[in-house]
Amino acid sequence: QLVLTQSPSVSASLGASVKLTCTLSSGHSSYAIAWHRQQPEKGPRYLMKLNSDGTYINGDGIPDRFSGSSSGAERYLTISSLQSDDEADYYCQSWVTGLHVFGSGTRVTVL
Amino acid sequence: QVQLVESGGGEVQPGRSLRLSCAASGFTFSFYGMHWVRQAPGKGLEWVALISYDGNTKYYEDSVKGRITISRDNSKNTLYLQMSSLRPDDTAVYYCAKGVAPRVIHDAFGVWGQGTMVTVSP
Repeated sequence: QLVLTQSPSVSASLGASVKLTCTLSSGHSSYAIAWHRQQPEKGPRYLMKLNSDGTYINGDGIPDRFSGSSSGAERYLTISSLQSDDEADYYCQSWVTGLHVFGSGTRVTVL
Repeated sequence: QVQLVESGGGEVQPGRSLRLSCAASGFTFSFYGMHWVRQAPGKGLEWVALISYDGNTKYYEDSVKGRITISRDNSKNTLYLQMSSLRPDDTAVYYCAKGVAPRVIHDAFGVWGQGTMVTVSP
């Protein structure tokens, strides 16, 4: 069963960097994921697709402050030069045949 | 630019039906798999259903199987979600989303609509 695990929250200062983690369940460590951002009272926005080898492609209009990396079953999203409008919920998403799943989301607070 | 616009939400009584629509523009709709995703108030994202680019393949989340039908009309660039036997726990914002790569059934969600609210209440 595919399950994605995310930490509930993280905080960092304006201008700093933050690294979010999404952990794939056992047996799924080779799977690609996507990262999405949801600002308060808005719909989600696609950030990137991240492969198990650490390669990633940012979505249209997504600045290179957003980067991805992988290690084993863990997938990371790093946000550099944190801005106030980066304060949002961040969800990872993955899929198997017939099913798509999301992590529970990580809330990023900008101090 | 690529755009998805949902409509059809509203307040309905338990047991009733509702059809949501998602109008697509700015891309070749018939090339891409499409999805519905929902978000209950204060909760996270939950995938609901997907349909392949040609409409021949459909998948559903277990809790909605038998009550929800996804369909598309490629001549109208429109995605649909027919919901029946609605329950209070179907209350959510419903988003449509487009796959990243053409002619791929399972993929990341590359574009999202703004959502339409469905409230199921007596």
